[in-house]
Amino acid sequence: AQKVTQAQTEISVVEKEDVTLDCVYETRDTTYYLFWYKQPPSGELVFLIRRNSFDEQNEISGRYSWNFQKSTSSFNFTITASQVVDSAVYFCALSEAKAAGNKLTFGGGTRVLVKP
Amino acid sequence: NAGVMQNPRHLVRRRGQEARLRCSPMKGHSHVYWYRQLPEEGLKFMVYLQKENIIDESGMPKERFSAEFPKEGPSILRIQQVVRGDSAAYFCASSPGTGVRYTGELFFGEGSRLTVL
Repeated sequence: AQKVTQAQTEISVVEKEDVTLDCVYETRDTTYYLFWYKQPPSGELVFLIRRNSFDEQNEISGRYSWNFQKSTSSFNFTITASQVVDSAVYFCALSEAKAAGNKLTFGGGTRVLVKP
Repeated sequence: NAGVMQNPRHLVRRRGQEARLRCSPMKGHSHVYWYRQLPEEGLKFMVYLQKENIIDESGMPKERFSAEFPKEGPSILRIQQVVRGDSAAYFCASSPGTGVRYTGELFFGEGSRLTVL
């Protein structure tokens, strides 16, 4: 069965520091998708990124970057030069192609607190 | 394009009452998923439905909870005889039908927050 583990429950940094969120996943499927979502204090879920299992290229989007390594089953997320607005809970999630539909399995989330 | 619409956004019920949460998927989407987020926890899958069919209900509690997605109208998550432990945020998500199902992406609503007094 699929599983997503976010070992860090809470990270506190000072503004402008970099912060890296760890995500480790387990799956028996060879085709799968990995996601990161942001949940700000207002509560909605904001989609950040989707990667498929065949694409191990790292990705950068502004201050966000993602490091996907199949060899260690990890999909880590780094926020560079953090800002107070980055304070939120971040969820890593996995979807298997063989599962019915696009069912997502979420990690427990990492709460990021950026202090001014 | 309107996104996934959930209502009510906030619902307060007393123990023993019924709660009904509604979800209208994005236009053109025929797959609906319900997730529950207990306070300070991650999102847990509850049920996956297509029009008039329950495909996967492996995450649904065995009693008091039911879900439907009728041919016409929104999907409804129904909780009978609510208890305090049902207090949570309930998120609905949708995805397109077959043919693009393996993109893996879900589109989430803003959630319905149930408080049981």
